[in-house]
Amino acid sequence: LAKTTQPISMDSYEGQEVNITCSHNNIATNDYITWYQQFPSQGPRFIIQGYKTKVTNEVASLFIPADRKSSTLSLPRVSLSDTAVYYCLVGDVYSGGYQKVTFGTGTKLQVIP
Amino acid sequence: DTAVSQTPKYLVTQMGNDKSIKCEQNLGHDTMYWYKQDSKKFLKIMFSYNNKELIINETVPNRFSPKSPDKAHLNLHINSLELGDSAVYFCASSQEGGADNEKLFFGSGTQLSVL
Repeated sequence: LAKTTQPISMDSYEGQEVNITCSHNNIATNDYITWYQQFPSQGPRFIIQGYKTKVTNEVASLFIPADRKSSTLSLPRVSLSDTAVYYCLVGDVYSGGYQKVTFGTGTKLQVIP
Repeated sequence: DTAVSQTPKYLVTQMGNDKSIKCEQNLGHDTMYWYKQDSKKFLKIMFSYNNKELIINETVPNRFSPKSPDKAHLNLHINSLELGDSAVYFCASSQEGGADNEKLFFGSGTQLSVL
């Protein structure tokens, strides 16, 4: 079972680029890497997913090296509204072939004015 | 329209009572989940249903009983509530449940407080 390790917390000033790195040394061949964002008093929200190399969408970029043992979520020019907990997940297959999506501790990002 | 909606948003009750939380998704997804987030913000899966059938049942006390009348609904009934049940409960859904690139869509949560 792949597990993830990411920093517990990070601080950043508004307007800066933020990079959050996640380690997943035991990632399986079929596993995708998925990141979720959770604001206070809300449910987690899917923000980006990748398998290898680089993925970019309107919210973030995801960088995955060739060995896939880690990944980096990049948030360009953060604002106060990006203050949230960011979770890095990899697949976790349950019996019967169904995914048991397991959340780790996440990284609490605090954006400072 | 909210994709995954759960009610109530807040639930305050006494120990020993029985309560239910309802969840509905309008995304046409096949799989629905219940997650529990405790005071330390750990998010743990409790149950998962695929097309009304139970497929994931984590180590959860028998006092918790999920029910899925159809694939768009997954309700959670809790008997004999205890202080330790106080948490935020999130409902979620995903398209298939077995895909390697599964993406979950969460509701806004139900804050349960047991006094």
